[in-house]
Amino acid sequence: AQTVTQSQPEMSVQEAETVTLSCTYDTSESDYYLFWYKQPPSRQMILVIRQEAYKQQNATENRFSVNFQKAAKSFSLKISDSQLGDAAMYFCAYRSTSNYQLIWGAGTKLIIKP
Amino acid sequence: GAGVSQSPSNKVTEKGKDVELRCDPISGHTALYWYRQRLGQGLEFLIYFQGNSAPDKSGLPSDRFSAERTGESVSTLTIQRTQQEDSAVYLCASSLAHGGNYGYTFGSGTRLTVV
Repeated sequence: AQTVTQSQPEMSVQEAETVTLSCTYDTSESDYYLFWYKQPPSRQMILVIRQEAYKQQNATENRFSVNFQKAAKSFSLKISDSQLGDAAMYFCAYRSTSNYQLIWGAGTKLIIKP
Repeated sequence: GAGVSQSPSNKVTEKGKDVELRCDPISGHTALYWYRQRLGQGLEFLIYFQGNSAPDKSGLPSDRFSAERTGESVSTLTIQRTQQEDSAVYLCASSLAHGGNYGYTFGSGTRLTVV
């Protein structure tokens, strides 16, 4: 069975600086999808970025980018120029191409210091 | 609608009572998912609906939990004889058929507190 691990329960960063959130996963599959979701206090899960495993190029969305290391089964999220609005819980999730379920990590609480 | 709508936003109930949680997905989204999120944890899959196919109920934790969906619209999650361990946020999400590749659109959830 697939598992997703986020080893950092909490991270903090100074406003305008860069922070990296870690995520590792375990799978025997070769093709899958990986996601980072943000959950602010409003509780709604918001998709931040996605990566298809067959693509070697790291996904990028504005200030958000990933470092996808397939062999190491690592999928970290880098947030550049951190803003106060980035403060939230961040969840890493895995989805098999053969199953619609998302497998979730336990989350990392990101604190932005003004 | 413009987004996934869930109601009520918060629900406090007494142990042993039944509760119904509602989810209104995005119009045109044939796939609908229910997840449970306990405090400080990630999401646990509960149930999945896809069009008129039989739902995948493999994540329901006990027979006290059930869900229904009318066609490709509203879904209700029912918890009978609630227990304190049922306290959690219940999140609903929807997606286009096979659109889960692009992630789901989530609602803001129902926070259930069983006292």
